[in-house]
Amino acid sequence: QQQVKQSPQSLIVQKGGISIINCAYENTAFDYFPWYQQFPGKGPALLIAIRPDVSEKKEGRFTISFNKSAKQFSLHIMDSQPGDSATYFCAASYSGSRLTFGEGTQLTVNP
Amino acid sequence: DVKVTQSSRYLVKRTGEKVFLECVQDMDHENMFWYRQDPGLGLRLIYFSYDVKMKEKGDIPEGYSVSREKKERFSLILESASTNQTSMYLCASSPPDQPQHFGDGTRLSIL
Repeated sequence: QQQVKQSPQSLIVQKGGISIINCAYENTAFDYFPWYQQFPGKGPALLIAIRPDVSEKKEGRFTISFNKSAKQFSLHIMDSQPGDSATYFCAASYSGSRLTFGEGTQLTVNP
Repeated sequence: DVKVTQSSRYLVKRTGEKVFLECVQDMDHENMFWYRQDPGLGLRLIYFSYDVKMKEKGDIPEGYSVSREKKERFSLILESASTNQTSMYLCASSPPDQPQHFGDGTRLSIL
């Protein structure tokens, strides 16, 4: 049973725009929510992560927004660049256990 | 930098063959993981290991087995390959309660 639902499956954004990817989870025991970025031919790499004691975390142009009551979290990419074109995965885990991944979003940023 | 090395980038095998996928990490990580990645399904956990000679089933272990005889090496075994095991296979490693580091994957085709 898929416990982390991710949307949209694909996203096309113009250079300079804002990319938004959403995830929803079911297990209220989850306490760690990372986002991974994957370029073609490469494995996923950790981009940014958040724990539920904060509602937002920002690193450069990347921001995670977290809504504990709605059991949702999202990735915002500000000033999107063609180099951001990649597949993005959200994930969740609890107490250092194994990660459960979302289905992935293929982001294309047009020049 | 953490390096997770998967022995083959591309592999073509025949139905019924026994297939070995090898993964080596150079950072003395306790945890190692095997995932398969399919479009629209994200990353699904096959098996993981928290220590040498230990293994735990993930979400889709059927048709697979694993071996961890040394801390740095985690092998995935397809006992009798079938066409529905054609996929991208990703290995990852991590210290306890730390982010996972991924290899670049093995694209396996079963004919």
